[in-house]
Amino acid sequence: DVKVTQSSRYLVKRTGEKVFLECVQDMDHENMFWYRQDPGLGLRLIYFSYDVKMKEKGDIPEGYSVSREKKERFSLILESASTNQTSMYLCASSSQTNTEAFFGQGTRLTVV
Amino acid sequence: GEDVEQSLFLSVREGDSSVINCTYTDSSSTYLYWYKQEPGAGLQLLTYIFSNMDMKQDQRLTVLLNKKDKHLSLRIADTQTGDSAIYFCAESDTSGTYKYIFGTGTRLKVLA
Repeated sequence: DVKVTQSSRYLVKRTGEKVFLECVQDMDHENMFWYRQDPGLGLRLIYFSYDVKMKEKGDIPEGYSVSREKKERFSLILESASTNQTSMYLCASSSQTNTEAFFGQGTRLTVV
Repeated sequence: GEDVEQSLFLSVREGDSSVINCTYTDSSSTYLYWYKQEPGAGLQLLTYIFSNMDMKQDQRLTVLLNKKDKHLSLRIADTQTGDSAIYFCAESDTSGTYKYIFGTGTRLKVLA
């Protein structure tokens, strides 16, 4: 069974903290994505990666960075968390044939 | 830029058909998708259609694509309470960007 695993389901952090969200996939997929989901706004792409050590900005990269040192792992980093980064974060992966993206369960991050 | 739009809410009675609509702007889209998100979960692919197709049927699901109007719809026949979820329309292309663009999501509520 294909699997995308996000390290935490729920996270509460303080303003100004550095936050790491981890995502691991076991399907040997080349592409990995980080989205945030907010009511009425749908899913917005933060960053994506199509290969190890490669990254591309999505639509809303400000305040975020990413790391992809290994093919199976894609990390999202909030350098200094702010309250407007309170959201649901979804990781996804897909193969180069691009027919389906597989999603993790999501991490609901609250910044207080 | 690319944009995918959906209405935010839809309410139907159990046993009726549901039709969820989506419009997109990117004429180079190769694949168009419907994803389902149940409460507290990630997204799961329901079905997808190639841009050179007009229709695809899969059990209770029918997808219609009008390329001229850039309009995609998902019809769910005999809607059940278990179909209550958020439905996302998405598009992607194979031009090398590997990005999926998601709509805002339509929250379907099925009334018993």
